[in-house]
Amino acid sequence: GAVVSQHPSRVICKSGTSVKIECRSLDFQATTMFWYRQFPKQSLMLMATSNEGSKATYEQGVEKDKFLINHASLTLSTLTVTSAHPEDSSFYICSARDRGWGDSPLHFGNGTRLTVT
Amino acid sequence: QQPVQSPQAVILREGEDAVINCSSSKALYSVHWYRQKHGEAPVFLMILLKGGEQKGHDKISASFNEKKQQSSLYLTASQLSYSGTYFCGTGGGNAGGTSYGKLTFGQGTILTVHP
Repeated sequence: GAVVSQHPSRVICKSGTSVKIECRSLDFQATTMFWYRQFPKQSLMLMATSNEGSKATYEQGVEKDKFLINHASLTLSTLTVTSAHPEDSSFYICSARDRGWGDSPLHFGNGTRLTVT
Repeated sequence: QQPVQSPQAVILREGEDAVINCSSSKALYSVHWYRQKHGEAPVFLMILLKGGEQKGHDKISASFNEKKQQSSLYLTASQLSYSGTYFCGTGGGNAGGTSYGKLTFGQGTILTVHP
């Protein structure tokens, strides 16, 4: 149980275009999902917390107008990278909990490798 | 606040032991440990919630000190499959607001096990 599916796994786009990444909880409902970004050989950096039915909460330094998050249902959150630039190239991973808060593990999607040319 | 992990990298031969530490300047609600293989998603290992707690399964265990400011991950008789990057994640308490439950990860420890 507790499977998080992320799509697409890889995407290559041209500079200036927008890319949408989907994150689905397959066998549980998630009122909250977390979006992380990871550069090569670096840590997972939290970008934002996606809240079902309300606005996302962004971490300091993350541009909300560039990284649009929509959490329209209890099983789907989307991250749209708008007007992508080469520096946005990274590994984006979503995660969610199937129960509780700090006393339960995060389940991660398989990540999306974004390359902006 | 990002927890600090040490060491940054460890190289072992099969059968050797390793310890990875995770420290914070303030008391933590919980500590989570994950392992990530290259190009893959992190995989959950275990959570520690209580000061003085120790837990583990197979040959991987972890401890949380009494002050809840440091956790250690113990890898015993390492296997080739243990190779990967280990992250500790801290936070996750019911702090209120719309971001409660989030984890902040350490910078990671790269573990390489050779035959």
